[in-house]
Amino acid sequence: SYVLTQPPSVSVAPGKTARIPCGGSNVGGMSVHWYQQKPGQAPVLVIYYDSDRPSGIPERFSGSNSGNTATLTISRVDAGDEADYFCQVWDNSNDHWVFGGGTKLTV
Amino acid sequence: QVQILQSGAEVKKPGASVKVSCKASGYTFTDYYMHWVRQAPGQGLEWLGIINPNGGGTSYAQRFQGRVHMTRNTSTTTFYMELSSLRSDDTAVYYCAKSPNSMVEWDYWGQGTLVTVSS
Repeated sequence: SYVLTQPPSVSVAPGKTARIPCGGSNVGGMSVHWYQQKPGQAPVLVIYYDSDRPSGIPERFSGSNSGNTATLTISRVDAGDEADYFCQVWDNSNDHWVFGGGTKLTV
Repeated sequence: QVQILQSGAEVKKPGASVKVSCKASGYTFTDYYMHWVRQAPGQGLEWLGIINPNGGGTSYAQRFQGRVHMTRNTSTTTFYMELSSLRSDDTAVYYCAKSPNSMVEWDYWGQGTLVTVSS
């Protein structure tokens, strides 16, 4: 079955840019969605269809997807961005939703 | 505003069944599918399946076929997920999440329900 790979953790200084990769075979040919999950809270959609932002999500959040890697980019990071982030795709071949293992962002 | 309120935590013995509910409000019930997903302690997310509120059609992840059953009640705008033959590795937080159709982003999630399976 299809596998999405994320690093367990990413650290970034306040005010800098965080980049969280999501690797998968030819993931660039799929639509990737990203969710933010803070401790004890439900996940929140932050990016959909690779790079679209839902209403209410700051412009600091952006996404890209090409080749074998999709990337969530958070610019001007602050303490409020500390959370787990995970990527998601629909695996057409197996009619199955697949998630990355999640990345803990530390600011 | 959109609300998806899940039922409270459950403790079950191995071999038992559990039924988790999601009460939906603040949107047109029949316009959105409902997914079920779980997150075991320290683990990633695992998709269980999806239900179409129009007609109640379902699609389950292969590894849960025969053990999971999803239903909905249109009168009370509530979705249900029942998992049977519980094992200790079914211990997880179970979430429901809505989406406009079966293959697009999930735009709102419930708060999660902890199911603990222990003898």
